[in-house]
Parts: sequence; C-alpha cells; structure tokens
Amino acid sequence: AQTVTQSQPEMSVQEAETVTLSCTYDTSESDYYLFWYKQPPSRQMILVIRQEAYKQQNATENRFSVNFQKAAKSFSLKISDSQLGDAAMYFCAYESGGSEKLVFGKGTKLTVNP
Amino acid sequence: GAVVSQHPSRVICKSGTSVKIECRSLDFQATTMFWYRQFPKQSLMLMATSNEGSKATYEQGVEKDKFLINHASLTLSTLTVTSAHPEDSSFYICSAFAGGNTGELFFGEGSRLTVL
Repeated sequence: AQTVTQSQPEMSVQEAETVTLSCTYDTSESDYYLFWYKQPPSRQMILVIRQEAYKQQNATENRFSVNFQKAAKSFSLKISDSQLGDAAMYFCAYESGGSEKLVFGKGTKLTVNP
Repeated sequence: GAVVSQHPSRVICKSGTSVKIECRSLDFQATTMFWYRQFPKQSLMLMATSNEGSKATYEQGVEKDKFLINHASLTLSTLTVTSAHPEDSSFYICSAFAGGNTGELFFGEGSRLTVL
C-alpha cells in the first residue's frame, strides 16, 4: 500500500519569506499523481498544486512550486513571499493513476508570522 | 469552478440515533464520490467510494452497516451514520471528481458530527 509521510508537524515562517514543506511517499507504481492541499480553519480542502509523475518539470502555481524528486520519492512544496492567508494545515497526497482515491500525509501546520 | 456542497455543516445527536449527511455536486455530474473521515488534528482517511447506481466500495476496517452510503443520482451522495455512538464523532468530508481537462478533485466543506 502507498504511504505518504510529512515529517514536519508544524512550521513557521515570517511574512514575505519563503518556506518549504517536506513530503515523501512510498510506492511501487509508475503512474501516479501527487498533490498539495491546503486546509484553512474553515476546514475546506483547497487544491494548491498538482504534479503528474510522468512529468519531469516541477509544477508551479504563482507563489507555490514543488520540488519533485521521483527517484527519491520526494515532493516538497515551496511557498514564496508568504502571506498571512497562507496559514493553514497543508496535506501532501498521493493518487494512484486514475483511481481518484487520495492517500494523505498527516499534515503540516503552517504559521505565518507578521 | 466546480463546487461540492455538504449539509449539514454541523450536527449534534444523541447516542443511538442515525444521522444523514448529504454531499452534492452543484455544477457538474459525479458518477463517483468519496467519503473521508478526519479526526481532530489528524489526516483524512478514506472511508468509502460512492458509486452512482451501485453499491459503495468500503475501505478495509470501515463498517458498511454502520456507515450507509447511497448515491442515487449523479449529483447527490448521502452518508448515514447508523446507531451513532460517541466514538463516531468526527469530521466527515466528501469529494467528487469533476473530470474534464482539469481532472481536479473537489471537496465539500465538511460536516462535523458530535454524538452525545
């Protein structure tokens, strides 16, 4: 079974600074997708960024980018120019190709200090 | 963008009663929806896959008789927690795949169940 590990239960960053959240995963599959979801205090899960395993290029979405190291099975999220609204729980998730089922990591609580 | 809505957002019930939670896809049709459970300060755990017009598929360890899932239409799935007990208190979240080019999975706002 696939597993997703987020080794940082909590992280903090100063406003306007950059922070990187770590995620590793374990799988024997070649076709899969990786995601970062944000869960603010409202509890609504919001997709931050998505990476297809077959793509070598790292996904970017405005201030959010990933460092996808397929051989190392690592998928870290970099948030640049952190804003107060970025404060939330961040979950790394794995989807076996086409299954639509997500396996989530335990999450990292990000605090943004003014 | 695609929207998934859950109702109720909060429910409190007495032990032994049954509670129904609805999950609706508001602007797209969803042949498949997913139900997750999230304990306080923990991750989301997939409970079951809700399939329109057929039986739900439950993950290992999830009691199908406790958590009844019905997906009667392409826009509505319901989760009924039967004979609820305090240990069933949790945050329940549904999701649906919008399909198309985006291939994005959208989540509902979640429903907090408290069983007294």
